[in-house]
Amino acid sequence: AQKITQTQPGMFVQEKEAVTLDCTYDTSDPSYGLFWYKQPSSGEMIFLIYQGSYDQQNATEGRYSLNFQKARKSANLVISASQLGDSAMYFCAMREGPSSGNTGKLIFGQGTTLQVKP
Amino acid sequence: EPEVTQTPSHQVTQMGQEVILRCVPISNHLYFYWYRQILGQKVEFLVSFYNNEISEKSEIFDDQFSVERPDGSNFTLKIRSTKLEDSAMYFCASSGVTGELFFGEGSRLTVL
Repeated sequence: AQKITQTQPGMFVQEKEAVTLDCTYDTSDPSYGLFWYKQPSSGEMIFLIYQGSYDQQNATEGRYSLNFQKARKSANLVISASQLGDSAMYFCAMREGPSSGNTGKLIFGQGTTLQVKP
Repeated sequence: EPEVTQTPSHQVTQMGQEVILRCVPISNHLYFYWYRQILGQKVEFLVSFYNNEISEKSEIFDDQFSVERPDGSNFTLKIRSTKLEDSAMYFCASSGVTGELFFGEGSRLTVL
């Protein structure tokens, strides 16, 4: 079973508008972390934002915010005021807690390609 | 800002040759990882390394792969006899007590 699901293979957004990239996850571990990474065409993986399962508030980092809905097991990334430089592949990832015997590895979704139109 | 560095950025090799990919993790990090991304696909976990030994490996990480940290700074991934399907981007990552994973810029391996 997929642990991380990103259902949008590709998205378009107009420059300066907001966009939401979907991510749902599946785990029985009460302790987990959710991550979003940006991968531009140059290939590097850029950390964007992190949400812990026990965090009471949604994480925010500049123009990025994570819409964390624990009961629905979703962790959508919201990018406000899109810029042309936001065009990239975006990956959602999860790390399960130590109770799963996990060594801190991340499990990635399939990714969503975002294109920002001028 | 501290970063994970990887060398080489791109390596082309013949099938059957050995390849070593090198990584210098962030200096105070304790957990080290290798991931692989075949072109256009998702990032896949290969192996995690802690306290000088493998702590977890995926089914992809078969006997042709090995990792070591020979000198306390470099963290290497060796592929003994490369196959065409090993062509991919290989990412090294490290994490410290905060749990955030920082990735290097990747090493692109092309097997001909």
